[in-house]
Amino acid sequence: DGGITQSPKYLFRKEGQNVTLSCEQNLNHDAMYWYRQDPGQGLRLIYYSQIVNDFQKGDIAEGYSVSREKKESFPLTVTSAQKNPTAFYLCASSIIQGGSFNTGELFFGEGSRLTVL
Amino acid sequence: GENVEQHPSTLSVQEGDSAVIKCTYSDSASNYFPWYKQELGKRPQLIIDIRSNVGEKKDQRIAVTLNKTAKHFSLHITETQPEDSAVYFCAASNPLKSTLTFGKGTMLLVSP
Repeated sequence: DGGITQSPKYLFRKEGQNVTLSCEQNLNHDAMYWYRQDPGQGLRLIYYSQIVNDFQKGDIAEGYSVSREKKESFPLTVTSAQKNPTAFYLCASSIIQGGSFNTGELFFGEGSRLTVL
Repeated sequence: GENVEQHPSTLSVQEGDSAVIKCTYSDSASNYFPWYKQELGKRPQLIIDIRSNVGEKKDQRIAVTLNKTAKHFSLHITETQPEDSAVYFCAASNPLKSTLTFGKGTMLLVSP
Protein backbone atom coordinates (compact mmCIF):
# COMPACT_ATOMS: atom_id res chain seq x y z
CA ASP A 1 0.00 0.00 0.00
CA GLY A 2 1.90 3.02 -1.27
CA GLY A 3 1.49 6.40 0.25
CA ILE A 4 2.52 8.90 2.85
CA THR A 5 1.96 8.25 6.54
CA GLN A 6 1.87 10.77 9.34
CA SER A 7 1.84 10.02 13.05
CA PRO A 8 0.46 10.63 15.52
CA LYS A 9 -2.93 11.74 14.26
CA TYR A 10 -3.64 13.70 17.45
CA LEU A 11 -1.08 15.06 19.88
CA PHE A 12 -1.36 17.11 23.02
CA ARG A 13 1.56 19.03 24.41
CA LYS A 14 2.20 21.21 27.39
CA GLU A 15 3.67 24.65 26.87
CA GLY A 16 7.46 24.60 26.85
CA GLN A 17 7.74 21.07 25.47
CA ASN A 18 9.16 20.10 22.11
CA VAL A 19 7.23 17.58 20.05
CA THR A 20 8.17 15.65 16.91
CA LEU A 21 5.73 14.73 14.16
CA SER A 22 6.58 11.77 11.98
CA CYS A 23 6.23 11.63 8.19
CA GLU A 24 7.15 8.56 6.14
CA GLN A 25 6.61 7.92 2.42
CA ASN A 26 7.13 4.85 0.26
CA LEU A 27 6.46 6.57 -3.05
CA ASN A 28 10.17 7.00 -3.80
CA HIS A 29 9.64 10.76 -4.04
CA ASP A 30 12.64 13.02 -3.80
CA ALA A 31 10.85 16.07 -2.41
CA MET A 32 9.06 16.31 0.92
CA TYR A 33 7.23 19.23 2.52
CA TRP A 34 5.64 20.32 5.76
CA TYR A 35 2.62 22.62 5.71
CA ARG A 36 0.64 24.17 8.52
CA GLN A 37 -3.11 24.58 8.11
CA ASP A 38 -5.08 27.05 10.20
CA PRO A 39 -8.75 27.97 9.62
CA GLY A 40 -8.99 30.67 6.96
CA GLN A 41 -5.22 30.69 6.38
CA GLY A 42 -4.78 28.07 3.70
CA LEU A 43 -1.67 25.94 3.62
CA ARG A 44 1.53 27.64 4.67
CA LEU A 45 4.92 26.09 3.97
CA ILE A 46 7.15 25.42 6.99
CA TYR A 47 10.11 23.48 5.54
CA TYR A 48 10.88 21.45 2.47
CA SER A 49 13.58 19.09 1.28
CA GLN A 50 14.54 18.00 -2.21
CA ILE A 51 17.36 15.65 -1.31
CA VAL A 52 18.65 13.67 1.63
CA ASN A 53 20.63 15.71 4.16
CA ASP A 54 19.40 19.01 2.73
CA PHE A 55 16.35 21.16 3.49
CA GLN A 56 15.19 24.74 3.11
CA LYS A 57 13.05 27.08 5.15
CA GLY A 58 9.59 27.88 3.94
CA ASP A 59 7.48 30.91 4.74
CA ILE A 60 6.90 30.19 8.44
CA ALA A 61 9.97 28.23 9.64
CA GLU A 62 10.49 30.04 12.94
CA GLY A 63 10.06 27.72 15.91
CA TYR A 64 10.31 24.56 13.81
CA SER A 65 13.12 22.21 12.85
CA VAL A 66 13.42 19.26 10.47
CA SER A 67 15.85 16.57 9.39
CA ARG A 68 16.15 14.44 6.24
CA GLU A 69 18.46 11.56 7.07
CA LYS A 70 16.60 9.13 4.83
CA LYS A 71 14.74 9.64 1.58
CA GLU A 72 11.61 8.11 3.08
CA SER A 73 11.47 10.18 6.25
CA PHE A 74 11.05 13.88 7.03
CA PRO A 75 10.20 14.46 10.71
CA LEU A 76 9.13 17.88 11.97
CA THR A 77 9.95 19.12 15.46
CA VAL A 78 7.75 21.83 16.91
CA THR A 79 9.92 23.56 19.47
CA SER A 80 8.99 25.59 22.51
CA ALA A 81 10.01 28.67 20.53
CA GLN A 82 6.94 28.34 18.30
CA LYS A 83 4.51 30.87 19.74
CA ASN A 84 1.26 29.45 18.38
CA PRO A 85 1.85 25.75 17.79
CA THR A 86 -1.75 24.59 17.98
CA ALA A 87 -2.61 23.70 14.39
CA PHE A 88 -3.16 20.96 11.83
CA TYR A 89 0.12 19.85 10.22
CA LEU A 90 0.27 18.27 6.79
CA CYS A 91 3.22 16.47 5.28
CA ALA A 92 3.47 16.00 1.52
CA SER A 93 5.81 14.52 -1.05
CA SER A 94 6.30 14.88 -4.78
CA ILE A 95 8.59 13.99 -7.62
CA ILE A 96 10.91 16.68 -8.92
CA GLN A 97 10.15 17.26 -12.57
CA GLY A 98 12.81 18.30 -15.01
CA GLY A 99 12.56 20.97 -17.66
CA SER A 100 10.77 24.23 -17.16
CA PHE A 101 8.16 22.93 -14.74
CA ASN A 102 9.69 22.11 -11.40
CA THR A 103 6.72 21.12 -9.31
CA GLY A 104 4.91 17.82 -9.48
CA GLU A 105 1.66 16.74 -7.85
CA LEU A 106 1.77 16.89 -4.06
CA PHE A 107 0.66 13.75 -2.25
CA PHE A 108 -0.46 14.59 1.26
CA GLY A 109 -0.58 12.58 4.43
CA GLU A 110 -3.69 12.53 6.59
CA GLY A 111 -2.30 15.17 8.91
CA SER A 112 -1.42 15.54 12.57
CA ARG A 113 -3.45 17.77 14.84
CA LEU A 114 -1.34 19.32 17.59
CA THR A 115 -2.98 20.96 20.58
CA VAL A 116 -0.98 22.84 23.18
CA LEU A 117 -2.59 22.79 26.59
CA GLY B 1 7.86 36.14 -3.15
CA GLU B 2 4.67 34.80 -4.66
CA ASN B 3 1.31 35.88 -3.26
CA VAL B 4 -1.90 34.07 -4.20
CA GLU B 5 -5.29 35.63 -3.48
CA GLN B 6 -8.39 33.46 -3.64
CA HIS B 7 -12.07 34.47 -3.75
CA PRO B 8 -14.65 33.92 -2.48
CA SER B 9 -13.81 32.44 0.90
CA THR B 10 -17.20 30.70 1.02
CA LEU B 11 -19.62 29.79 -1.76
CA SER B 12 -23.06 28.26 -1.45
CA VAL B 13 -24.88 26.92 -4.50
CA GLN B 14 -27.84 24.71 -5.25
CA GLU B 15 -27.28 21.29 -6.71
CA GLY B 16 -27.03 21.54 -10.48
CA ASP B 17 -25.77 25.13 -10.48
CA SER B 18 -22.29 26.13 -11.59
CA ALA B 19 -19.58 27.32 -9.21
CA VAL B 20 -16.62 29.54 -10.01
CA ILE B 21 -13.61 30.19 -7.78
CA LYS B 22 -11.06 32.81 -8.75
CA CYS B 23 -7.40 33.27 -7.90
CA THR B 24 -4.82 35.92 -8.69
CA TYR B 25 -1.06 35.60 -8.39
CA SER B 26 1.71 38.16 -8.15
CA ASP B 27 4.81 36.51 -9.64
CA SER B 28 4.78 36.77 -13.43
CA ALA B 29 7.33 33.93 -13.60
CA SER B 30 4.82 31.44 -12.14
CA ASN B 31 3.92 28.78 -14.69
CA TYR B 32 2.12 25.99 -12.87
CA PHE B 33 -1.34 26.34 -11.29
CA PRO B 34 -2.91 23.35 -9.55
CA TRP B 35 -6.21 23.08 -7.69
CA TYR B 36 -6.62 20.87 -4.63
CA LYS B 37 -9.84 19.66 -3.02
CA GLN B 38 -10.01 18.89 0.68
CA GLU B 39 -13.12 17.13 1.91
CA LEU B 40 -13.99 17.47 5.57
CA GLY B 41 -11.51 15.56 7.71
CA LYS B 42 -9.51 14.34 4.74
CA ARG B 43 -6.24 15.18 3.03
CA PRO B 44 -6.03 17.63 0.11
CA GLN B 45 -5.99 15.97 -3.29
CA LEU B 46 -5.15 17.35 -6.71
CA ILE B 47 -8.21 17.66 -8.93
CA ILE B 48 -6.87 19.57 -11.92
CA ASP B 49 -3.88 21.66 -12.91
CA ILE B 50 -2.83 23.93 -15.73
CA ARG B 51 0.52 25.01 -17.04
CA SER B 52 1.23 28.39 -18.54
CA ASN B 53 1.51 27.11 -22.09
CA VAL B 54 -2.27 26.56 -22.29
CA GLY B 55 -5.24 28.80 -21.54
CA GLU B 56 -7.87 26.24 -20.57
CA LYS B 57 -8.12 22.65 -19.45
CA LYS B 58 -11.22 20.51 -18.87
CA ASP B 59 -11.86 17.26 -17.08
CA GLN B 60 -15.51 16.21 -17.12
CA ARG B 61 -17.41 18.70 -14.93
CA ILE B 62 -14.40 20.75 -13.91
CA ALA B 63 -12.35 23.21 -15.92
CA VAL B 64 -9.61 25.68 -15.23
CA THR B 65 -8.85 28.84 -17.19
CA LEU B 66 -5.68 30.89 -17.09
CA ASN B 67 -5.12 34.51 -18.09
CA LYS B 68 -1.38 35.13 -17.92
CA THR B 69 -1.66 38.78 -18.86
CA ALA B 70 -3.99 39.52 -15.98
CA LYS B 71 -2.29 36.95 -13.71
CA HIS B 72 -5.45 35.19 -12.73
CA PHE B 73 -6.87 31.71 -13.04
CA SER B 74 -10.24 30.23 -12.20
CA LEU B 75 -11.86 26.90 -11.37
CA HIS B 76 -15.24 26.17 -12.91
CA ILE B 77 -17.46 23.36 -11.69
CA THR B 78 -20.61 22.65 -13.69
CA GLU B 79 -23.68 20.65 -12.64
CA THR B 80 -22.57 20.71 -9.01
CA GLN B 81 -23.40 17.77 -6.75
CA PRO B 82 -23.47 17.50 -2.95
CA GLU B 83 -20.23 15.48 -3.07
CA ASP B 84 -18.52 18.56 -4.53
CA SER B 85 -18.88 20.17 -1.10
CA ALA B 86 -15.34 20.71 0.19
CA VAL B 87 -12.62 23.31 0.60
CA TYR B 88 -10.83 24.12 -2.64
CA PHE B 89 -7.31 25.55 -2.73
CA CYS B 90 -5.59 27.16 -5.69
CA ALA B 91 -1.81 27.35 -5.85
CA ALA B 92 0.99 28.73 -7.99
CA SER B 93 4.60 27.82 -8.60
CA ASN B 94 7.45 29.25 -10.64
CA PRO B 95 10.25 27.24 -12.29
CA LEU B 96 12.94 28.70 -10.03
CA LYS B 97 11.32 27.23 -6.94
CA SER B 98 10.05 23.75 -6.32
CA THR B 99 7.34 24.82 -3.90
CA LEU B 100 3.70 25.79 -4.21
CA THR B 101 2.15 28.93 -2.76
CA PHE B 102 -1.45 28.28 -1.82
CA GLY B 103 -4.45 30.56 -1.64
CA LYS B 104 -6.45 30.65 1.59
CA GLY B 105 -9.13 28.33 0.31
CA THR B 106 -12.80 28.45 -0.66
CA MET B 107 -15.39 26.47 1.23
CA LEU B 108 -17.96 25.27 -1.32
CA LEU B 109 -21.31 24.05 -0.05
CA VAL B 110 -23.67 22.39 -2.51
CA SER B 111 -27.21 22.06 -1.19
CA PRO B 112 -29.52 19.32 -2.50
